[in-house]
Amino acid sequence: DTAVSQTPKYLVTQMGNDKSIKCEQNLGHDTMYWYKQDSKKFLKIMFSYNNKELIINETVPNRFSPKSPDKAHLNLHINSLELGDSAVYFCASSQGSSMAAEAFFGQGTRLTVV
Amino acid sequence: AQSVTQLDSQVPVFEEAPVELRCNYSSSVSVYLFWYVQYPNQGLQLLLKYLSGSTLVKGINGFEAEFNKSQTSFHLRKPSVHISDTAEYFCAVTSKGATNKLIFGTGTLLAVQP
Repeated sequence: DTAVSQTPKYLVTQMGNDKSIKCEQNLGHDTMYWYKQDSKKFLKIMFSYNNKELIINETVPNRFSPKSPDKAHLNLHINSLELGDSAVYFCASSQGSSMAAEAFFGQGTRLTVV
Repeated sequence: AQSVTQLDSQVPVFEEAPVELRCNYSSSVSVYLFWYVQYPNQGLQLLLKYLSGSTLVKGINGFEAEFNKSQTSFHLRKPSVHISDTAEYFCAVTSKGATNKLIFGTGTLLAVQP
């Protein structure tokens, strides 16, 4: 009974393809996030949803589109994949929009674009 | 804008020795501060956080950190490390009352040797 689960764990795909990463949390949280960790382990937020509404959208290419069908799910769809998209993508969730709340992270999805 | 600096990319230490991982931040507003740990091939886990009050914060696994406002630092310490503490440690900051996103440092690899 993983709190924040992501699928798939590993994803290898060719340039130009479209792929999706799914995230589900069973903690009853109302806020979910996507973070990107590059090859130098630098972590940066991409998106945040609160009660299915987008509240943070950092400078991310339009090829990345998050979708939140309900409070427990936040999926990430990526169009026309590029080599530079290779990274580990982490989903996270927290209760409330205050950052005093602890963020719980999934195990990550390692995306490799070849 | 906020930023976090972790000057040490790697800290080697022998088992049972004390360790300090350094973190400095910059922000023009009041902040919340966090330390997260990432074990190999795992997601991030919260070690401890500073929100307000006592500047010495105790976390899980015997770790503690001290908030020093004048030096804008939030160094992480443990008096005696174990092999199992080998992991990547991330310092993070967010501003009080602003959008709920964490700004991460570049991480410090704690390598505990027998």
